[in-house]
Amino acid sequence: GQQVMQIPQYQHVQEGEDFTTYCNSSTTLSNIQWYKQRPGGHPVFLIQLVKSGEVKKQKRLTFQFGEAKKNSSLHITATQTTDVGTYFCAVFDSGTYKYIFGTGTRLKVLA
Amino acid sequence: DAGITQSPRHKVTETGTPVTLRCHQTENHRYMYWYRQDPGHGLRLIHYSYGVKDTDKGEVSDGYSVSRSKTEDFLLTLESATSSQTSVYFCAIGREGGEKLFFGSGTQLSVL
Repeated sequence: GQQVMQIPQYQHVQEGEDFTTYCNSSTTLSNIQWYKQRPGGHPVFLIQLVKSGEVKKQKRLTFQFGEAKKNSSLHITATQTTDVGTYFCAVFDSGTYKYIFGTGTRLKVLA
Repeated sequence: DAGITQSPRHKVTETGTPVTLRCHQTENHRYMYWYRQDPGHGLRLIHYSYGVKDTDKGEVSDGYSVSRSKTEDFLLTLESATSSQTSVYFCAIGREGGEKLFFGSGTQLSVL
């Protein structure tokens, strides 16, 4: 079945620094979603990408889908303490109806 | 937030006992999923449902069973709980395949 590798597993940054997490697959993806989970909370949907080379922005967050649709990234500019949490990518397999999640990147922001 | 409720929120049980977790939704969403979350493993799919009485196994289904007798309820049963099943369990719902998932608040299960 589909698998997605997410790196890094952990990232500590100083407040104001940038942060990037990457999601990689060995197979071509039809779509990719990103979720954020605050400490002690549940995952919350951020965005979905479906087109090759697609770039979407949400304030300080920039999401990209690779040209070959095998990788994606989430970049946060000038991190804030409110960005703390774990960021997951997820892919939907239309053949099985499964959503497969990456292992997540846990972000800590040091004030 | 979507109308999705997990119960119980916390449970402590003993090895060998059966445990049932409930996911209840008021959104009439077709798809429902059970995940477990453990440090270093992210969210791993246990079982899922794509309609009433239509269920299938995920990547870590051993030791778990599910039932979905009506749209709004998706039950996860640990037939005989083991310590390796100590985890946080999340239910998620999706309106259509490929659309965003809405997650419940999770159930913290400890098997002693």
